[in-house]
Amino acid sequence: LAKTTQPISMDSYEGQEVNITCSHNNIATNDYITWYQQFPSQGPRFIIQGYKTKVTNEVASLFIPADRKSSTLSLPRVSLSDTAVYYCLVGDFPNQGGKLIFGQGTELSVKP
Amino acid sequence: DADVTQTPRNRITKTGKRIMLECSQTKGHDRMYWYRQDPGLGLRLIYYSFDVKDINKGEISDGYSVSRQAQAKFSLSLESAIPNQTALYFCATSGLPGYNEQFFGPGTRLTVL
Repeated sequence: LAKTTQPISMDSYEGQEVNITCSHNNIATNDYITWYQQFPSQGPRFIIQGYKTKVTNEVASLFIPADRKSSTLSLPRVSLSDTAVYYCLVGDFPNQGGKLIFGQGTELSVKP
Repeated sequence: DADVTQTPRNRITKTGKRIMLECSQTKGHDRMYWYRQDPGLGLRLIYYSFDVKDINKGEISDGYSVSRQAQAKFSLSLESAIPNQTALYFCATSGLPGYNEQFFGPGTRLTVL
């Protein structure tokens, strides 16, 4: 399973766009990139998943360059309620079953 | 009602006691998982089950056992609790292979004195 590296913490203000970058230099051909969000004392919640280029849903966008060695989660116009820990996970999720490996995550703090 | 429920939500126990944490789901998923989370860290996989007859060890299974009583129920047991098993425990479910989203329960905060 590919190791991921992401910033420990980030600060932002309400209304700003936040970009969290994750490095995964040893990503394998079959690996996907998935992001989860976790609020204090709650279970993680799936945000978005992608394989290459760009994926967008109602919550976020995921940008993946051609070499796939990094990815960027983009949260448009954050609010106070986006304060949470964001985890980047990389793996062959369709075939590896439940082997989600969570790193330390990025603690995002959104200020008024 | 929540799709994934865990009982109890909080538990304080003493070293050496046997503890069972229970998880139930109404999502109709075959796959269920148990994770633990220590303060400031990500989640680590303890056990997972792809169906009622399938049980697999995860990253940190020592000191734990599980039982898959039915498609909807997956229990985690600590046969003889120790203080370093104090943590937040999460149950999760997922659907068919290729559908990669896992749905997590609200967690059980366990303290072993």
